[in-house]
Amino acid sequence: DVKVTQSSRYLVKRTGEKVFLECVQDMDHENMFWYRQDPGLGLRLIYFSYDVKMKEKGDIPEGYSVSREKKERFSLILESASTNQTSMYLCASSSISGRWADTQYFGPGTRLTVL
Amino acid sequence: SQQGEEDPQALSIQEGENATMNCSYKTSINNLQWYRQNSGRGLVHLILIRSNEREKHSGRLRVTLDTSKKSSSLLITASRAADTASYFCATDRGDDKIIFGKGTRLHILP
Repeated sequence: DVKVTQSSRYLVKRTGEKVFLECVQDMDHENMFWYRQDPGLGLRLIYFSYDVKMKEKGDIPEGYSVSREKKERFSLILESASTNQTSMYLCASSSISGRWADTQYFGPGTRLTVL
Repeated sequence: SQQGEEDPQALSIQEGENATMNCSYKTSINNLQWYRQNSGRGLVHLILIRSNEREKHSGRLRVTLDTSKKSSSLLITASRAADTASYFCATDRGDDKIIFGKGTRLHILP
């Protein structure tokens, strides 16, 4: 079974802090994703990576950056956390499918609170 | 942008009954997926149906796809308490990314 792990289930940070959210997958997937999930807004894509050191902006990249130095690890960075970044953060991975988007496998999520 | 919209937003049924959720989307797709999310957890993939398929089964799940109406339905038969969760449909964007709807919250009453 595919396993996607996230470094923390719950995280509390102060406004202005630099925050690192780590995600690791063990299935040698090429694609990795970071989403945030907010009530009434559903899942929104922040960043996407299709290969090591490659990244692509999603729908809401402002205030975030990412790093993918190794294939299995995809990090989301909040350079200077703000209260409006309080949210549930979900990491996912998938294999390259060619024409069609393939199944995504999700981690358990990190609930981040910024005070 | 194309996006799945689930209907209803929330659904409560008695244990043992069947639950039906619907998803509508705006533009043509290659495939459509359904995911489940238990409270406060990550999403779990349930089923993927391709645009050239009309119906797919997996255990107690039945998914239909009507590309002419741009809609899909998820049927859960003989519901159980463990089926209480949010259910999301997701449509592909023509690349390796997918767009999620806002979900249907399903509550199974004992």
